[in-house]
Amino acid sequence: ETGVTQTPRHLVMGMTNKKSLKCEQHLGHNAMYWYKQSAKKPLELMFVYNFKEQTENNSVPSRFSPECPNSSHLFLHLHTLQPEDSALYLCASSSAEALYNEQFFGPGTRLTVL
Amino acid sequence: GQQLNQSPQSMFIQEGEDVSMNCTSSSIFNTWLWYKQDPGEGPVLLIALYKAGELTSNGRLTAQFGITRKDSFLNISASIPSDVGIYFCAGQALGLKLSFGAGTTVTVRA
Repeated sequence: ETGVTQTPRHLVMGMTNKKSLKCEQHLGHNAMYWYKQSAKKPLELMFVYNFKEQTENNSVPSRFSPECPNSSHLFLHLHTLQPEDSALYLCASSSAEALYNEQFFGPGTRLTVL
Repeated sequence: GQQLNQSPQSMFIQEGEDVSMNCTSSSIFNTWLWYKQDPGEGPVLLIALYKAGELTSNGRLTAQFGITRKDSFLNISASIPSDVGIYFCAGQALGLKLSFGAGTTVTVRA
């Protein structure tokens, strides 16, 4: 595997379900990100992890819970979501020590909340 | 993050045409990045710009970092059908956060 991978690629869940999104990066990076992408809107940064420590939470509702067990893996735990949470969820990684923050993205998880 | 204004929102291309899009910001950035996103995929980094005035090419793509550090443009020369997709600009001021434009959707003119 190379680059940034995300599973599952598609997820349909009810509002009472609990599910998790997984991201793995094979680039030797130490910063990882979750973004939400809705149609016709800029990417919305949700969370940033730097060396496994959460450094940014962009006022994300508590029904989204991130977890970063190590620099290569990032999870987004979902529970009691709302239909408006349906979107493409993108994971990205970068080198935290680099002067310039070139972020590399995974293919995303298309989430539909019924 | 900072608000980026990306234009046009959408454009139609005819094979062989040159196309151009740009991003402006009210704030200064230290880095400008251009990404392309195909349907069902994540954004792919096309070009990274690190210095005001810098002009960088990647094949048929050329991007420039504006002198004021508040804008950037991307040109695609001699467009081909696989150039369709959504193009995003992103700017980095300080730290790890990027600010993204809303994207330019490029489609083929029938």
